Amino acid sequence: EAAVTQSPRNKVAVTGGKVTLSCNQTNNHNNMYWYRQDTGHGLRLIHYSYGAGSTEKGDIPDGYKASRPSQENFSLILELATPSQTSVYFCASGEPTGGDYEQYFGPGTRLTVL
Amino acid sequence: GEQVEQLPSILRVQEGSSASINCSYEDSASNYFPWYKQEPGENPKLIIDIRSNMERKQIQELIVLLDKKAKRFSLHITDTQPGDSAMYFCAASAPGANTGKLTFGHGTILRVHP
Repeated sequence: EAAVTQSPRNKVAVTGGKVTLSCNQTNNHNNMYWYRQDTGHGLRLIHYSYGAGSTEKGDIPDGYKASRPSQENFSLILELATPSQTSVYFCASGEPTGGDYEQYFGPGTRLTVL
Repeated sequence: GEQVEQLPSILRVQEGSSASINCSYEDSASNYFPWYKQEPGENPKLIIDIRSNMERKQIQELIVLLDKKAKRFSLHITDTQPGDSAMYFCAASAPGANTGKLTFGHGTILRVHP
């Protein structure tokens, strides 16, 4: 079964601080995605990647950077965290090249920016 | 980009009755429409999906209907049980080969009352 893990699971940060959220997948999927989930907004795509070395802007990239150093790992970076970035963040992986568009989600990271 | 509207936001039904959630999309090129279920504190999980070459798909008590002309699709849960209580998200695939990008609706909280 698909295996996507995230760390940390919970994080409290201060305004202006740097936050790095990590995601690891053992599915050997080319594509990985970062979403944030907020009440009333559902899941919104922040950044995604086609493979190692690739990062693409999603629908709400402002204030976030992404890094894909390897097939397995995809990080989301908040250089200067703000309270508006308090949310639950989900990483997902998928392999759409074969026509399978299913995305496999990690357990989520709850981020609070004070 | 693609926009997906999902209604209702909250749905309360009696155990044993049917529940219906409706979604609409804007981009006629979208060709894949999954439904995800999210239990409290958990990650979203795919429960059923439909592609644009189909009008109806059923997996046990789950039925998905797709009306491409109206750009609408819907999830119907027959004989609802308390275990069906959860958040449900519809999504539509964004056009573009191999992106695998999904645009999600805002979600529906389903409460099944005994």
